[in-house]
Amino acid sequence: DGGITQSPKYLFRKEGQNVTLSCEQNLNHDAMYWYRQDPGQGLRLIYYSQIVNDFQKGDIAEGYSVSREKKESFPLTVTSAQKNPTAFYLCASKGPGAGAHNEQFFGPGTRLTVL
Amino acid sequence: AQKVTQAQTEISVVEKEDVTLDCVYETRDTTYYLFWYKQPPSGELVFLIRRNSFDEQNEISGRYSWNFQKSTSSFNFTITASQVVDSAVYFCALSGSNDYKLSFGAGTTVTVRA
Repeated sequence: DGGITQSPKYLFRKEGQNVTLSCEQNLNHDAMYWYRQDPGQGLRLIYYSQIVNDFQKGDIAEGYSVSREKKESFPLTVTSAQKNPTAFYLCASKGPGAGAHNEQFFGPGTRLTVL
Repeated sequence: AQKVTQAQTEISVVEKEDVTLDCVYETRDTTYYLFWYKQPPSGELVFLIRRNSFDEQNEISGRYSWNFQKSTSSFNFTITASQVVDSAVYFCALSGSNDYKLSFGAGTTVTVRA
């Protein structure tokens, strides 16, 4: 089946640790996105990538890093520099092409909790 | 810059009632795209509809209908004869013609009681 997978579903981190959230898609989509969702709030864009080996900061990129070495994969690293990382993280992809008219499809999300 | 406002934070209805979710947007683009997504308790966002700025035709899909009015910059969503399974958070979103990003509203939580 085609879709977007995110792992793990739940992640616990100690303060000061870096953690990496996985996002994989087999939809052959060009563009991929990472969003953060806090309770009772909408989605805020962290990073996005329109093509392989290229990515741009979103609205809240501080404390996060990404890579896009393969079309299918767009991992997100939450670094120790992120002051308040506890949140629900959603990955999305869009295609074919990265045009504005295409809808984004979302993965099931990763819930990160800092202990 | 794009902006989406969903003024209703929470709506609670009894099953079989109709519910309308408001969405007001701001953009300077003449060509833009509007979207609605549903987020059930599982967390994954489900795409519901996309509407182009040059197509003001209203749309109906089963119990769902959408009313797009450029004159008031609104793209409202109505669930007819609501069911418990409609309980979710609903997001309205906007993308400009040269945007690769979506601007989301804050979402409206719909609770349908049996």
